Amino acid sequence: QVQLVQSGSELKKPGASVKVSCKASGYSFSSYGMNWLRQAPGQGLEWMGWINTKTGNPTYAQGFTGRFVFSLDTSVSTAYLQINSLKTEDTAVYYCARPRAEGEYDEWGQGTLVTVSP
Amino acid sequence: DIQLTQSPSSLSASVGDRVTITCRASLRISSYLNWYQQRPGKAPKLLIYAAFVLQSGVPSRFSGSGSETDFTLTISSLQPEDFATYFCQQSYTSPFTFGPGTKVDIK
Repeated sequence: QVQLVQSGSELKKPGASVKVSCKASGYSFSSYGMNWLRQAPGQGLEWMGWINTKTGNPTYAQGFTGRFVFSLDTSVSTAYLQINSLKTEDTAVYYCARPRAEGEYDEWGQGTLVTVSP
Repeated sequence: DIQLTQSPSSLSASVGDRVTITCRASLRISSYLNWYQQRPGKAPKLLIYAAFVLQSGVPSRFSGSGSETDFTLTISSLQPEDFATYFCQQSYTSPFTFGPGTKVDIK
């Protein structure tokens, strides 16, 4: 069965970096783009962008340019989200998600809580 | 960006009740509207896509309707496992925005 398994929770200080992984299994990794979404505590969902798993080309939503980096290691069917120069407002659960077709997500990782605190 | 509003923001209901949640888009989005359920501490789960198509494995008590700017999610007979937060999302154009959510809790 399809699974997206994310790395565990992280506690970081402001200014540090974090790299979240999302390992896919049960399907052809390069057949679907990988999307990233953010959910701040008690808040709704924000689409951060996606990475083309065939070409490695990332697309970032407005508000997620500059400090956010999507990358891949196709040899292990894994997508990564790196956040640099962390701010306290980056505290959130980050999800990877696979689209069913275009923008509707039928498979999700379990989420990774990133906490940024002085 | 396309803005989505949901109403109500929360509701209290009993097991067996019929529940209706609405989602309104700021622009016409045809049928590119999806519904998700999120239980506390869990990832969202796709319930309905393309406004009315039931995702595989989702119980038939869930249904969706609407087009262009006005959409509805209906739960015909609320079950204990349905107490959760529901989000709508548009997949008409990037960025794929979400509504703020509707929390359904036990009366």
